Amino acid sequence: DIQMTQSPASLSASLGETVTIECRASEDIYNGLAWYQQKPGKSPQLLIYNANSLHTGVPSRFSGSGSGTQYSLKINSLQSEDVASYFCQQYYDYPFTFGSGTKLEIK
Amino acid sequence: EIQLQESGPGLVKPSQSLSLTCSVTGYTITSGYDWSWIRKFPGNKMEWMGYISNSGSTNYNPSLKIRISITRDTSKNQFFLQLNSVTTEDTATYYCARYDGLFDYWGQGVMVTVSS
Repeated sequence: DIQMTQSPASLSASLGETVTIECRASEDIYNGLAWYQQKPGKSPQLLIYNANSLHTGVPSRFSGSGSGTQYSLKINSLQSEDVASYFCQQYYDYPFTFGSGTKLEIK
Repeated sequence: EIQLQESGPGLVKPSQSLSLTCSVTGYTITSGYDWSWIRKFPGNKMEWMGYISNSGSTNYNPSLKIRISITRDTSKNQFFLQLNSVTTEDTATYYCARYDGLFDYWGQGVMVTVSS
């Protein structure tokens, strides 16, 4: 299985700040990576696919980048509604695997 | 609007079978896409369990292959999860989701506790 190592586990930032979450795959996943946001008590919502494509309706302050084994999610101009957990997921190979998640809080 | 809704017992005894239903509205499950089960453990680790395709074929996570079965009832636009011989390690929130290269619609999730 492809292992997804996500960091940091938790993150605290101020409103308006820019934050970055990283995901490292145990082997090349050829941009087969998605990022999801999960707010407390809610189901996960797709943010980014193909490592850098914004899903329909997702604010442009979210962006994804990376290649090979290293990927990142950046949130510009942090808003209060961005408080959530974020996790990455590779879909390059079966079985699909997920990162361990990052809990984002506002300072 | 496409909606998925999980249902099933919230408590299962060890060694028994866990059975969940995902009811889909707003899209016919035979029209396209694959229909998955994913679970999130306490501590936030997530695991893709498997899917049933729109044609009825299945694909399971090898870690679960001997215990899992995903089936469907096309007349009710539902698909099902059965996980056999559960242990306390199967305690998790179970989600159903639509898959087409990525998971674009998810249910709200149902928490299942395995305990005697």
